[in-house]
Amino acid sequence: QKEVEQDPGPLSVPEGAIVSLNCTYSNSAFQYFMWYRQYSRKGPELLMYTYSSGNKEDGRFTAQVDKSSKYISLFIRDSQPSDSATYLCAMSEGTSYDKVIFGPGTSLSVIP
Amino acid sequence: DGGITQSPKYLFRKEGQNVTLSCEQNLNHDAMYWYRQDPGQGLRLIYYSQIVNDFQKGDIAEGYSVSREKKESFPLTVTSAQKNPTAFYLCASSIGGGGQPQHFGDGTRLSIL
Repeated sequence: QKEVEQDPGPLSVPEGAIVSLNCTYSNSAFQYFMWYRQYSRKGPELLMYTYSSGNKEDGRFTAQVDKSSKYISLFIRDSQPSDSATYLCAMSEGTSYDKVIFGPGTSLSVIP
Repeated sequence: DGGITQSPKYLFRKEGQNVTLSCEQNLNHDAMYWYRQDPGQGLRLIYYSQIVNDFQKGDIAEGYSVSREKKESFPLTVTSAQKNPTAFYLCASSIGGGGQPQHFGDGTRLSIL
């Protein structure tokens, strides 16, 4: 079983839809959770950064962490064509020399 | 504007050749990282450095080498020992290690001639 799993998609939605992107993980010691957006031929851009369980909202984006289920989600409201990208989840335990583990990414297309 | 600059954007390697990818940051971050990205796979860590003149191997360090002589610079050399070097290489930095969020450059795409 991979440490972090993510449905690769592709996911295609109409403009204005609510998008739900998800990751599951196996390491119960993960405490820091991140979502990155990556456009084609570009580096990942940090969207959301959360610690432990709970919700965090930033504009049209909401990140949810459920540590009991080892499940994290990113919701995008009122999706726009400019949201079309690959979304990577990432997580770490947060110790000094700890690594960040990335999911393989979900490809999202928002159709005008 | 603060950020991470990777160069070149595209690079071609001949058989038996070593090539060096540049990564420079002006974010005043202590930690820097090199990742390899292949289609359908997550980012895989090649090397990382928490402080100047110190670096550690990541999960796939074989065939790669790095140096960290200056805080702002972390070049990656892909040696001829790396038999499958074709990939998208990403450099990142963070304020510190552990759970600190990483900020990425725009990558270098390396191909074999």
